[in-house]
Amino acid sequence: AQKVTQAQTEISVVEKEDVTLDCVYETRDTTYYLFWYKQPPSGELVFLIRRNSFDEQNEISGRYSWNFQKSTSSFNFTITASQVVDSAVYFCALRLNSNSGYALNFGKGTSLLVTP
Amino acid sequence: SQTIHQWPATLVQPVGSPLSLECTVEGTSNPNLYWYRQAAGRGLQLLFYSVGIGQISSEVPQNLSASRPQDRQFILSSKKLLLSDSGFYLCAWQTGIGNQPQHFGDGTRLSIL
Repeated sequence: AQKVTQAQTEISVVEKEDVTLDCVYETRDTTYYLFWYKQPPSGELVFLIRRNSFDEQNEISGRYSWNFQKSTSSFNFTITASQVVDSAVYFCALRLNSNSGYALNFGKGTSLLVTP
Repeated sequence: SQTIHQWPATLVQPVGSPLSLECTVEGTSNPNLYWYRQAAGRGLQLLFYSVGIGQISSEVPQNLSASRPQDRQFILSSKKLLLSDSGFYLCAWQTGIGNQPQHFGDGTRLSIL
């Protein structure tokens, strides 16, 4: 079985605050991939990052950083110094290596609102 | 570079009418193709995927069907729409290599009246 939980349904912050979006996953597979996508109000899903199960290095890209911890089955996403343009729904997704067609299992998403 | 096109962008249909949504990918060969639905409340549900021409896998039994008549064309259809078919439909492609992400089209907002 596989499952992705994004417990935070909605988060509201004031511009320049840091914010962390949580993602917890469940799988018995040893080989898998984790993804984060951003869905702005226009609707399209934008790929942000991929991480495989053997690479626990944290990653930083500008104001974005990701913390992957296999011990807690978490892949959290932090936005530093948030901006209004960061307002979107963010999805965490899991792909098992054994998934037919490399299908993704998405969490329900976290809606982030950044106000001026 | 690869691009994905999805149309129409919005669609309003009466209950019981047929449906055809089209998705095409450019700049790649033999991609994996996917249809997702996002109902109100944001969750993304995988409806169908295809790993090759004529090969369709259904994830959720429902009122919809999918076809892949050409390598880079994926069509979502229904013979008779239900109110519950309303939602935001997203097409995606992936290279067929396991560690690569899926890339999504702009989506179709479908409203059933």
